[in-house]
Amino acid sequence: SQKIEQNSEALNIQEGKTATLTCNYTNYSPAYLQWYRQDPGRGPVFLLLIRENEKEKRKERLKVTFDTTLKQSLFHITASQPADSATYLCALIMDTGRRALTFGSGTRLQVQP
Amino acid sequence: GAVVSQHPSWVICKSGTSVKIECRSLDFQATTMFWYRQFPKQSLMLMATSNEGSKATYEQGVEKDKFLINHASLTLSTLTVTSAHPEDSSFYICSAPKGQGNQPQHFGDGTRLSIL
Repeated sequence: SQKIEQNSEALNIQEGKTATLTCNYTNYSPAYLQWYRQDPGRGPVFLLLIRENEKEKRKERLKVTFDTTLKQSLFHITASQPADSATYLCALIMDTGRRALTFGSGTRLQVQP
Repeated sequence: GAVVSQHPSWVICKSGTSVKIECRSLDFQATTMFWYRQFPKQSLMLMATSNEGSKATYEQGVEKDKFLINHASLTLSTLTVTSAHPEDSSFYICSAPKGQGNQPQHFGDGTRLSIL
């Protein structure tokens, strides 16, 4: 069966450091992958989308890489701030006909001041 | 600002009550919306796809008679949890893609449902 795994349930880092989150998937070859941020009690907010023919995508302090050979995406937050503390979710569309998202388990990031 | 509005944000009710949750796209039309459920410290799990003008598509294991979905217009989908029981207590979130193709999803802020 298709699976999406974010292998760190929680990640604690010091302010100013780079946070690196991992998303691995199996038994699927997605055309693109998305990353979302979710704050407690809120719905997810879209951050970045990367396509299979893109190795890297950047947006301000965020960077996403996509390795279709390894079936892995890395999500980096540089110069992290306490305000970056949240749960980060990677997501794929497994059924392109329906466009519904399948989410990874999420990584809860805590940035210490 | 929010492009998908969800209401109510939280509900507390007695067991056996039916609860309706609304999901509205505010500045775009959505022929498709999605309903997810999220238990504490877990990820979002797709429950069903809401299709404007036709029946919803439910994921395996989701009871369609328990979770009634109505997509009556291009900007509104409703999820009704019928005869709710404590095990239905969860965080329900809707989403809609804005535009065609592989656009990101816009999510509502969720509804916290607590059944006593």
